[in-house]
Amino acid sequence: DQQVKQNSPSLSVQEGRISILNCDYTNSMFDYFLWYKKYPAEGPTFLISISSIKDKNEDGRFTVFLNKSAKHLSLHIVPSQPGDSAVYFCAASVTGNQFYFGTGTSLTVIP
Amino acid sequence: DAGITQSPRHKVTETGTPVTLRCHQTENHRYMYWYRQDPGHGLRLIHYSYGVKDTDKGEVSDGYSVSRSKTEDFLLTLESATSSQTSVYFCAISKLGTGYEQYFGPGTRLTVT
Repeated sequence: DQQVKQNSPSLSVQEGRISILNCDYTNSMFDYFLWYKKYPAEGPTFLISISSIKDKNEDGRFTVFLNKSAKHLSLHIVPSQPGDSAVYFCAASVTGNQFYFGTGTSLTVIP
Repeated sequence: DAGITQSPRHKVTETGTPVTLRCHQTENHRYMYWYRQDPGHGLRLIHYSYGVKDTDKGEVSDGYSVSRSKTEDFLLTLESATSSQTSVYFCAISKLGTGYEQYFGPGTRLTVT
C-alpha cells in the first residue's frame, strides 16, 4: 500500500508562473519530508526538506508547505523556469527510518 | 556532488543468471542505500548499510543480497535474475544517517530478458 501519494502524474505551467506540486501521505508518524528533482538518465537530486515541527520551509524559488492535519505537503516553485522541467518526487520518513517515496509528478515549464 | 558512481550503467542479462551491481563513493559516508525505480511505484528501498558488514533489509529485499566489505563500496547482487527485476537501480548515501536527505548516484538500467 502506497504510504506516500502524488496523484498528479504530470503538470504543465507557463514560464514565470507558479508551479504547485502536491503530495499526500497516510502515516501520521512521518515527521520528516523531502522533495527530489530528477532529470532523465540521472539520479534524483535533493531539493528541499521540512520537519514536522514546521509548516513552511523556503529556499530561493522553492517553498515547501506542510499541513499535518490534512497529511498533505506541497512544493511551490516561483517563478517557474524551463530548467525546472523534470520529475519531482516527494518522500517521507519517521526520523531514523527508511524513506517512502511517491510515484512522481512530471513538470513541464513552457517557455 | 557526493562522489557516487555506479557500474555498470547499463546491463542486459538473461533470466536465471547472477548479476552484481556496484556502488562506489569517495567521501567515506557510513550510510549507503540501494533503491529500484519502477513506473507507478516511485523509488523503493531494497537494502541499506550503516557500516562495513552492517546491512539491513528494505521494503523490497526478496531476491536481492548485498555486501559491504569496504566503506566505499556497496554491492547489490541478484542471485538469479528474473524479468520482474528489470528496473533502474539507484545507489544513495546519507551524510547524516537513515531518515535524512540522501544523495543519489546516476543509476544502472538493468534489463532481464
